[in-house]
Amino acid sequence: DTEVTQTPKHLVMGMTNKKSLKCEQHMGHRAMYWYKQKAKKPPELMFVYSYEKLSINESVPSRFSPECPNSSLLNLHLHALQPEDSALYLCASSPEGAGYNSPLHFGNGTRLTVT
Amino acid sequence: AQSVAQPEDQVNVAEGNPLTVKCTYSVSGNPYLFWYVQYPNRGLQFLLKYITGDNLVKGSYGFEAEFNKSQTSFHLKKPSALVSDSALYFCAVRDFNSGYSTLTFGKGTMLLVSP
Repeated sequence: DTEVTQTPKHLVMGMTNKKSLKCEQHMGHRAMYWYKQKAKKPPELMFVYSYEKLSINESVPSRFSPECPNSSLLNLHLHALQPEDSALYLCASSPEGAGYNSPLHFGNGTRLTVT
Repeated sequence: AQSVAQPEDQVNVAEGNPLTVKCTYSVSGNPYLFWYVQYPNRGLQFLLKYITGDNLVKGSYGFEAEFNKSQTSFHLKKPSALVSDSALYFCAVRDFNSGYSTLTFGKGTMLLVSP
């Protein structure tokens, strides 16, 4: 079982809804990531937090809003999404502040469907 | 930017036979390479990494990978495939984005092991 916990596992939302995805890790990792993955495609980086500070935003539309309340939690707030935003959203963490030697630890993802 | 290529969309192998999933890389400087596996409706699981040292890297579930600098390759191997190894495999390379370290994935290779 993964040590990165994502909730909910599945989410269906309309285009006018506001919802949030949650990610939690208790490994003491200081870097946390959001990836978006379409079916049978590689994950695409969205955001990186290093030491609770937003370090990378890969030109993600503003309808996606990340938040890192503390070193263990990462949220992704969703508002006015489009059907093409339907995907698997993966959270990951790594020990150092975005260090290069350690692997990323992934959660099992939230399967998002926008109707 | 660093990149990896996985030339095969799918690899088919019979149970008990050896398997190879191919990956080539293009990096400036020293490569930091990883293999991940993804089972249906799950997140990515780390298998192994190459940072430096021995060219043959051993990882989880009996997998290993051979780093070949002259051929810029990092192929994933297993001496005897299991049906349960059927999954989507991603090769990845550490990249550096705005001074921070991220992972860039290959397109993925579906491994199908037949009984």
